[in-house]
Amino acid sequence: DQQVKQNSPSLSVQEGRISILNCDYTNSMFDYFLWYKKYPAEGPTFLISISSIKDKNEDGRFTVFLNKSAKHLSLHIVPSQPGDSAVYFCAANSRGSARQLTFGSGTQLTVLP
Amino acid sequence: DAGVIQSPRHEVTEMGQEVTLRCKPISGHDYLFWYRQTMMRGLELLIYFNNNVPIDDSGMPEDRFSAKMPNASFSTLKIQPSEPRDSAVYFCASSLGGTTEAFFGQGTRLTVV
Repeated sequence: DQQVKQNSPSLSVQEGRISILNCDYTNSMFDYFLWYKKYPAEGPTFLISISSIKDKNEDGRFTVFLNKSAKHLSLHIVPSQPGDSAVYFCAANSRGSARQLTFGSGTQLTVLP
Repeated sequence: DAGVIQSPRHEVTEMGQEVTLRCKPISGHDYLFWYRQTMMRGLELLIYFNNNVPIDDSGMPEDRFSAKMPNASFSTLKIQPSEPRDSAVYFCASSLGGTTEAFFGQGTRLTVV
């Protein structure tokens, strides 16, 4: 039972354009959401997060949007750069309980120069 | 701080052998997590510790897997006996109580032949 789903295994975008990565979740207890970026042969690194009390959080070129009614979140990268090419994982957590994160399966983003 | 340090980076072993993976969390972090990444199941939590005490080991696949945290700066994940289906990348992560963002090590790529 996948509680966090990333339905697109891969995405290719031209440099300078917008990258939109999507994530859906099923557990209504989740109230904190994170995006991690992973390069080959490295561990995932934290990118940006959002609490369920917000619907948008922005950090430089990265913006995460949360639609609680649809149980959907997305990560926007504008403008996309070749260095953004990596696997992006969506993760979720219920802050009222334990600290562990439930991860999606990841989306490989390739930014073409 | 050097971040979360895992050793070895790569491990190749024969089926039936004992394997021990090691992790040094970030100094001062009170949560430690062991994750496994496979193509089939993505990133899945195996076990996590809080203040060196195992809190939830429900993700540990079988009794062949065991984890310890003898002190705040060291943890091990042991597989005995190892099987080919244990081949995966194993990540250790740590976080500070009150936050959810976990910091990951570079992982140990385990191959059981």
